[in-house]
Amino acid sequence: ELKVEQNPLFLSMQEGKNYTIYCNYSTTSDRLYWYRQDPGKSLESLFVLLSNGAVKQEGRLMASLDTKARLSTLHITAAVHDLSATYFCASGIQGAQKLVFGQGTRLTINP
Amino acid sequence: DGGITQSPKYLFRKEGQNVTLSCEQNLNHDAMYWYRQDPGQGLRLIYYSQIVNDFQKGDIAEGYSVSREKKESFPLTVTSAQKNPTAFYLCASSAVEAFFGQGTRLTVV
Repeated sequence: ELKVEQNPLFLSMQEGKNYTIYCNYSTTSDRLYWYRQDPGKSLESLFVLLSNGAVKQEGRLMASLDTKARLSTLHITAAVHDLSATYFCASGIQGAQKLVFGQGTRLTINP
Repeated sequence: DGGITQSPKYLFRKEGQNVTLSCEQNLNHDAMYWYRQDPGQGLRLIYYSQIVNDFQKGDIAEGYSVSREKKESFPLTVTSAQKNPTAFYLCASSAVEAFFGQGTRLTVV
């Protein structure tokens, strides 16, 4: 059974600092997603990673995938307050078409 | 514009009442999903469907039912058997990327 675990679950950091959120999944998967959720809102798609070694970047966020380690990371560079949100990773297998989510990381960026 | 539309945005249910949440997509995606999110928590899978006229139970299917008569539509019924239905319900569809609707917030009154 596919399980997805994120850490840390809560992260408070100062503006301008760098940090990484980790996402581990338990079985072979062919896709890894990262989402952002603001309070009271739905999920916004950030990245989809489809192959080992895939790296994608958008602004101050960069996501990577290591399928051998079953690990994805979301790296935040020079954080700004606007990045405060809850970030979820999700893993899935195309054949099964079942998406399983991590617990979410609640990120607070302080001025 | 292509996307996923959930309705209504807010829904109130009386004790013992069945209610149906709508989810429509025009992305031509085969796979559709329903998730439940409780305050401060992650997403739990209720049901998912890979193809028309076929669907599978997720981790918390008890008290819920779905249908998939059309590719575009995947409605969720919250039955009276669901004893604690107050939550935020999210519908998604996927091909390679997976996109979410805006959600329905269900409250028992």
